[in-house]
Amino acid sequence: QQQVKQSPQSLIVQKGGISIINCAYENTAFDYFPWYQQFPGKGPALLIAIRPDVSEKKEGRFTISFNKSAKQFSLHIMDSQPGDSATYFCAARGNTDKLIFGTGTRLQVFP
Amino acid sequence: EPEVTQTPSHQVTQMGQEVILRCVPISNHLYFYWYRQILGQKVEFLVSFYNNEISEKSEIFDDQFSVERPDGSNFTLKIRSTKLEDSAMYFCASSSGGYTFGSGTRLTVV
Repeated sequence: QQQVKQSPQSLIVQKGGISIINCAYENTAFDYFPWYQQFPGKGPALLIAIRPDVSEKKEGRFTISFNKSAKQFSLHIMDSQPGDSATYFCAARGNTDKLIFGTGTRLQVFP
Repeated sequence: EPEVTQTPSHQVTQMGQEVILRCVPISNHLYFYWYRQILGQKVEFLVSFYNNEISEKSEIFDDQFSVERPDGSNFTLKIRSTKLEDSAMYFCASSSGGYTFGSGTRLTVV
């Protein structure tokens, strides 16, 4: 119940394309869903986050779509750029403060 | 922008030795955490710390692990007797609402 399932494991997108990463959870007590971007040798950096009372949040080229009834959420990266090449983790947080991370998606954007 | 600082960036230690990983959280943050990431795998919660005591710990955080806030600025993770399977990136984070992660310490146990 504490798991967050993430797919795909890796993703190759051409520059200018849309990258879509999906996550699913079981625990309905989760109330905060962040996405983290991680470059090699660095710590995870918060990209964008959403709470379950909204269905979509957009910040620049990054959008989270949230489906509360399906217990799924996804990250969309519009106009993907080579600089977006990184590993992306979804996460969830419930009534304790710890983050439960997904397994990560390695995104490669080719020019 | 405020940062969480971790030292050292890389530590190599022999199996059975004690290691101390150090972190300087963001100064006005109240919650502190350690997470671990084994190479190529997901980030896993180890422990959270608030008001000078552990607020939650995972099953990974056994008696070999301890945390301390020895002064007003540092937050340390001690592994008493390292095992090969402790080799991982260890991330410190602090929070006062949103999390900020440090760049990590790569621990290699040989």
